[in-house]
Amino acid sequence: NAGVTQTPKFQVLKTGQSMTLQCAQDMNHNSMYWYRQDPGMGLRLIYYSASEGTTDKGEVPNGYNVSRLNKREFSLRLESAAPSQTSVYFCASSDGTDTQYFGPGTRLTVL
Amino acid sequence: AQTVTQSQPEMSVQEAETVTLSCTYDTSENNYYLFWYKQPPSRQMILVIRQEAYKQQNATENRFSVNFQKAAKSFSLKISDSQLGDTAMYFCAFTHPAGGTSYGKLTFGQGTILTVHP
Repeated sequence: NAGVTQTPKFQVLKTGQSMTLQCAQDMNHNSMYWYRQDPGMGLRLIYYSASEGTTDKGEVPNGYNVSRLNKREFSLRLESAAPSQTSVYFCASSDGTDTQYFGPGTRLTVL
Repeated sequence: AQTVTQSQPEMSVQEAETVTLSCTYDTSENNYYLFWYKQPPSRQMILVIRQEAYKQQNATENRFSVNFQKAAKSFSLKISDSQLGDTAMYFCAFTHPAGGTSYGKLTFGQGTILTVHP
């Protein structure tokens, strides 16, 4: 099992460019999450998907959109990147025991 | 609002010694889960230990154990026989059970950087 995988690992964008961060899990989990981690802070929830076909906003959703493509995949899209979105992005999935398992992260820099 | 506070930005310990990381949280609910995650320089978030609030017994995973004080809303992590590989950022986190009005959102503390010295 690969667990939770994320692509890409690193990305540099210019202000105004768009991109999609990909996440996939092979653990048959229903719930998936996107977090961002900024220096000196813990992770903050951007969006989540409690089950296939549903998505909802977390605490910092502005500037992002998500798609739960199927049970395995949950993508995060930045339509018009801003320097404030420079961060490390983590995807996670949950097995229903309320324990979340994290991917390796994507380091995004917006110039 | 739920909050998690880690009051120690940095800690250090000698190899083979014991260290305790502090965490306090705030919630008005009675049923919840608490976690410690480790983030080494590789950036990967690794689950260290999990505690269910309705269980009185403190969770233990090999060298890692917690001191869960529900009335005081305190959840500290003790690392025994510290190893160089324990060097990492440690995050305390909290969630309510998924379902109903909750969705299993994890609320994280600010983290404690632990350095283990040889």
